[in-house]
This record gives sequence, C-alpha cells and structure tokens, in this order.
Amino acid sequence: GQNIDQPTEMTATEGAIVQINCTYQTSGFNGLFWYQQHAGEAPTFLSYNVLDGLEEKGRFSSFLSRSKGYSYLLLKELQMKDSASYLCASQTGANNLFFGTGTRLTVIP
Amino acid sequence: DTAVSQTPKYLVTQMGNDKSIKCEQNLGHDTMYWYKQDSKKFLKIMFSYNNKELIINETVPNRFSPKSPDKAHLNLHINSLELGDSAVYFCASSQSGDSPYEQYFGPGTRLTVT
Repeated sequence: GQNIDQPTEMTATEGAIVQINCTYQTSGFNGLFWYQQHAGEAPTFLSYNVLDGLEEKGRFSSFLSRSKGYSYLLLKELQMKDSASYLCASQTGANNLFFGTGTRLTVIP
Repeated sequence: DTAVSQTPKYLVTQMGNDKSIKCEQNLGHDTMYWYKQDSKKFLKIMFSYNNKELIINETVPNRFSPKSPDKAHLNLHINSLELGDSAVYFCASSQSGDSPYEQYFGPGTRLTVT
C-alpha cells in the first residue's frame, strides 16, 4: 500500500527558515517529489530526490533518506509569497505519483 | 503559450447530468493524467495515458471515462453526475521513461454538482 504523512499546518516568520517533514511507506518507490500549491491554483514542481542526500535549488532544498522513508523540504529566507500548501509525493512504477494531503504553510510578518 | 490548458475552468451542473472536461498540452509529452482534488485538498490520481493507452485506472467509477484522441489531448467525460463528484479536477502531463519526471499541471476545473 501507499501512505504519506506530513503535518497539516505550519506557521513561520518572514525571513526565517522552515522545515516541512514527510514520511512515506510506499511499495515500488522510485523517488520523492515536492510540489507547491497556492490557494486556488495548480500544483507546481519544486524538487525531487531519487538518491539519499540533499538537493539544493536556491532558497529551497529537499532531503531524502530511503532507508528511513523520510524526506524534508527546507525553505530559507521565507517570503510572504511562500504561504502555500506543500505537497509531498512518492513516485512508483510508471510515473505514478501518490500525494500526501499537504502542509499548509502560513508566513507571518 | 500555455503549457497545459483545461476547459472549462468552472462547471456548475445538476445531479444526473453528463459533462466533459477538455485538456491539452503543448509540451510534447507522451503521458497525461487526470487528478481529483477533494474539499480536504487531497490530490488523487484517477487516470494516466501514455501514447494514447490507458496505464492507470485507480478504482474510479466507470461513470468516468477518459478519452485521448492524440497524445496532446486527454479529455474526461463524466456520466450521471453525483454530489460526491464535486471537486477540482486537474490535468497534468510529463515525459515518460525510466527516470522520474516532473508533472506539469493544468489550472484545474472546479466542478460543482447541485
């Protein structure tokens, strides 16, 4: 089966760093994706990890530990526009994405 | 130069009606998907088409029928609409192959069944 857990909501201050955790139990695991979704909009791709370790893309970084079934998304220098939902998704088989319910991040001044 | 487009953006209809949602991508991808996002924001795969062939059908009721006239289009037809079908439906596309490929999502179609 497939299961993904991530916190429902988080709040952080503008300019700070926030880490959003995701744990997964997935059969046929291929990789771990992170998507951002602003209210009323489509999900947009942020990053993915196939191998263990940290992937850095500007202010956003994502980490994966396959042995622990664990990933996190790190957002640095938070901006107000980063207020959105962050969706963790595991990929299996033929590009099939299984999404978690998302973490709604609110950035406050 | 929209990458993945869907029509309509909003759809309000009554129970029992039949409706269609259209999706087109101009990215040259050979795999397209339909997702349903419910009121709790849970995004769930419904269908996936690779080169016009169905490769995923995640126990969706057979009232839902995807149709892919070519690899740039994947339409979703829904028969006998029910209240529980109210949701946002997203189309997406990606390349296919052994490596994981990011999926590009359309703007979504908000379906309301009354």
